[in-house]
Amino acid sequence: GQQLNQSPQSMFIQEGEDVSMNCTSSSIFNTWLWYKQDPGEGPVLLIALYKAGELTSNGRLTAQFGITRKDSFLNISASIPSDVGIYFCAGRAGANSKLTFGKGITLSVRP
Amino acid sequence: EAEVAQSPRYKITEKSQAVAFWCDPISGHATLYWYRQILGQGPELLVQFQDESVVDDSQLPKDRFSAERLKGVDSTLKIQPAELGDSAMYLCASSFSGRFQETQYFGPGTRLLVL
Repeated sequence: GQQLNQSPQSMFIQEGEDVSMNCTSSSIFNTWLWYKQDPGEGPVLLIALYKAGELTSNGRLTAQFGITRKDSFLNISASIPSDVGIYFCAGRAGANSKLTFGKGITLSVRP
Repeated sequence: EAEVAQSPRYKITEKSQAVAFWCDPISGHATLYWYRQILGQGPELLVQFQDESVVDDSQLPKDRFSAERLKGVDSTLKIQPAELGDSAMYLCASSFSGRFQETQYFGPGTRLLVL
């Protein structure tokens, strides 16, 4: 079945630093989504991407839909303590396909 | 801002007991999803509704799990009997139909612990 790979499992950065995460797939997706999940809460949608090559920003967050349609990237600039959490990528191969999630990357930000 | 509501937020039960979770999607969202999230993993789809109809329950363990959305609005997910391996976060999500169907908005989840 479809799988999304996110690595590393954890990232530790200093407040103020930029951080990049990527997500790769063994198959082509036509939708990429990035979610953030705080402990004990549901995932919150950060950015949605619908077109190969698309670059979308949401405040300090920027995400890109890879040209090959098999990957996506999320960048967080000037990190702050509230950026701490688990970042999931999710993809969908087609309109009638289910959403597949990666295992998530836990981000820690040192003050 | 409209949100997906879920209750209870936490549930502790003993194995072999029955449990039920409730979800109220964002108003106007025709599509409703139930996911299970095991600690350290991403959410995995259990069942998807379009209005009151099930469109995908291929990953739902039907021997013990059931889901309904009788009036096409709120939904209930039931487990009977609960097993130790059912301990997880159960997430409900909803979305519009059409072009933005792909965007799903999640509720806060119900964390289940089976003893």
